[in-house]
Amino acid sequence: EAGVVQSPRYKIIEKKQPVAFWCNPISGHNTLYWYRQNLGQGPELLIRYENEEAVDDSQLPKDRFSAERLKGVDSTLKIQPAELGDSAVYLCASSLITDTQYFGPGTRLTVL
Amino acid sequence: LAKTTQPISMDSYEGQEVNITCSHNNIATNDYITWYQQFPSQGPRFIIQGYKTKVTNEVASLFIPADRKSSTLSLPRVSLSDTAVYYCLVGPGSGNTGKLIFGQGTTLQVKP
Repeated sequence: EAGVVQSPRYKIIEKKQPVAFWCNPISGHNTLYWYRQNLGQGPELLIRYENEEAVDDSQLPKDRFSAERLKGVDSTLKIQPAELGDSAVYLCASSLITDTQYFGPGTRLTVL
Repeated sequence: LAKTTQPISMDSYEGQEVNITCSHNNIATNDYITWYQQFPSQGPRFIIQGYKTKVTNEVASLFIPADRKSSTLSLPRVSLSDTAVYYCLVGPGSGNTGKLIFGQGTTLQVKP
């Protein structure tokens, strides 16, 4: 069975530029998560989807971050404009109702 | 919020049993306890999940006392490949409201 797929794996951009990350969850998983992980820290939840509905986006900096999960499958996380402090690893995870989350490899973002 | 506290680091030797304890004094009734393992440049990987008492699978055991204010991950006979960061996660099942919070993580170093 294929795992959670994320792309790109690495991204380097200049500050103030936009950037987008893509996630394809495990087939059949209705719940999708986006996390941000700073160096030496645990993952921090940004947003959680149940199917196509964002059920928890309280940690998402909505002035510059946006996310969508059209048709309840793939998801895209966008940052516009990016700031230096956004440099981190962005992780996508998916799960069924048992809440066992399966993580993708992450996208390492570097903002210069 | 069910905040978690773990030791920052632990050292062990190959073949030994390792126990990592996580404190979660404010755990809610519908919260589960889940442990993840993370290697560098990879997303966290599910190890084990429990609600109360003891859970065992092929790689680890999870001990949860009756008051559920702490939990202990037990890794039997560790090897060098168990060197990683271990995270304790407390949170509700999918479909419920509430925060999903990772602990700081425990860096386990297994020595030959």
